[in-house]
Amino acid sequence: AQSVTQLDSHVSVSEGTPVLLRCNYSSSYSPSLFWYVQHPNKGLQLLLKYTSAATLVKGINGFEAEFKKSETSFHLTKPSAHMSDAAEYFCVVPSGSARQLTFGSGTQLTVLP
Amino acid sequence: DTAVSQTPKYLVTQMGNDKSIKCEQNLGHDTMYWYKQDSKKFLKIMFSYNNKELIINETVPNRFSPKSPDKAHLNLHINSLELGDSAVYFCASSQGVAGRYETQYFGPGTRLLVL
Repeated sequence: AQSVTQLDSHVSVSEGTPVLLRCNYSSSYSPSLFWYVQHPNKGLQLLLKYTSAATLVKGINGFEAEFKKSETSFHLTKPSAHMSDAAEYFCVVPSGSARQLTFGSGTQLTVLP
Repeated sequence: DTAVSQTPKYLVTQMGNDKSIKCEQNLGHDTMYWYKQDSKKFLKIMFSYNNKELIINETVPNRFSPKSPDKAHLNLHINSLELGDSAVYFCASSQGVAGRYETQYFGPGTRLLVL
């Protein structure tokens, strides 16, 4: 079965500093992986997805993630945090018969002025 | 135009009542989903329909009944509401059956509070 573990439930950074949100996956084969973002009282929006075409994936709003098979990781990064990045971030993997998404527990990102 | 819309946005009701949440997508997608997000932000799939046919039915009390009148709509009816049903319910859709590379598009959520 496929699963993801988000290593930090809360991350706090200062505006203008780098962001690192960590995700490790468990899969019996090379998975596809997604990062979704949920702003307060909003729905979920796809940030980026890994589909085995390239290990470094660029997403919206300056975010990117690197798939590292040797470390079974798919960490989300951004060089410089903006106040508008404050949100909940979910690492996601298709599972079951690949017909459903399994969400990580989420990481709450706080951006301090 | 809103791609995936849900109504109502907020729902406050008493225990024991029956309520429905509606979802519509204008993306022309074939597959729709219902997810439940609990107070700890944990998201779990409840149901999935493909071309009006139920394809995923997770372990959900049978008080929850999805209904898909057409490909663009997937409604969720809940009978005999309980306190534990309080959560945010998200509708989503995807072009095909969510596979390894399929992107799901989410609605804004319905915040249900059972008193």
